[in-house]
Amino acid sequence: QLQLQESGPGLVKPSETLSLTCTVSGGSISSGSYYWGWIRQPPGKGLEWIGSILYSGTTYYNPSLKSRVTISVDTSKIQFSLKLDSVTAADTAVYYCANGLFDSKRTWGQGTLVTVSS
Amino acid sequence: QSALTQPASVSGSPGQSITISCAGTGSDIGGYDYVSWYQQHPGKAPKLLIYDVTNRPSGVSNRFSASKSGNTASLTISGLQAEDEADYYCSSYTVTTTRGVVFGGGTKLTVL
Repeated sequence: QLQLQESGPGLVKPSETLSLTCTVSGGSISSGSYYWGWIRQPPGKGLEWIGSILYSGTTYYNPSLKSRVTISVDTSKIQFSLKLDSVTAADTAVYYCANGLFDSKRTWGQGTLVTVSS
Repeated sequence: QSALTQPASVSGSPGQSITISCAGTGSDIGGYDYVSWYQQHPGKAPKLLIYDVTNRPSGVSNRFSASKSGNTASLTISGLQAEDEADYYCSSYTVTTTRGVVFGGGTKLTVL
């Protein structure tokens, strides 16, 4: 059974880069037709799609975040990663990694809270 | 990408049926048959209930059903149970400058 686990700093300073990793277990990161994605949820608010990547490296980003986001996949480490540059308090959120079709995600990590604060 | 529009809250009594709407545009819901619905309990990750407008993943109760008409999608929960109390989110495939996904703002379901 596919499982995902997010990891990374829980506190990031304003203007710095948020970096998170999602470790995959119980399945292959090289599943050709499935997408690995990141979704976030500010405290008390709704879900926001950040972007997705295929194992081949093809990426798709939310236009509102595109200038600051990089998603990459490391097949040797069975991980995929999120980098978000120049963070502000508005980027404080629970960040989820997920897997599934481009538009629907069946498997989710438990989520990790990232707070942007000095 | 503008968020899809959902009612902030709905409520129903055990055993009743409720419907949650999700309004979009021709660039998302109306343009593609790629609408999904998620259930989220407090402090938990979202759970996929419906994909491709009407399809349920294995293991999801058939009390959950969904449909789409024009630019609006709907989720119906029949035979309400206390455990259905949660937040529900719709999402849709969208194409603006590129392919993407847009979520609704979420609906809080209260089981009275």
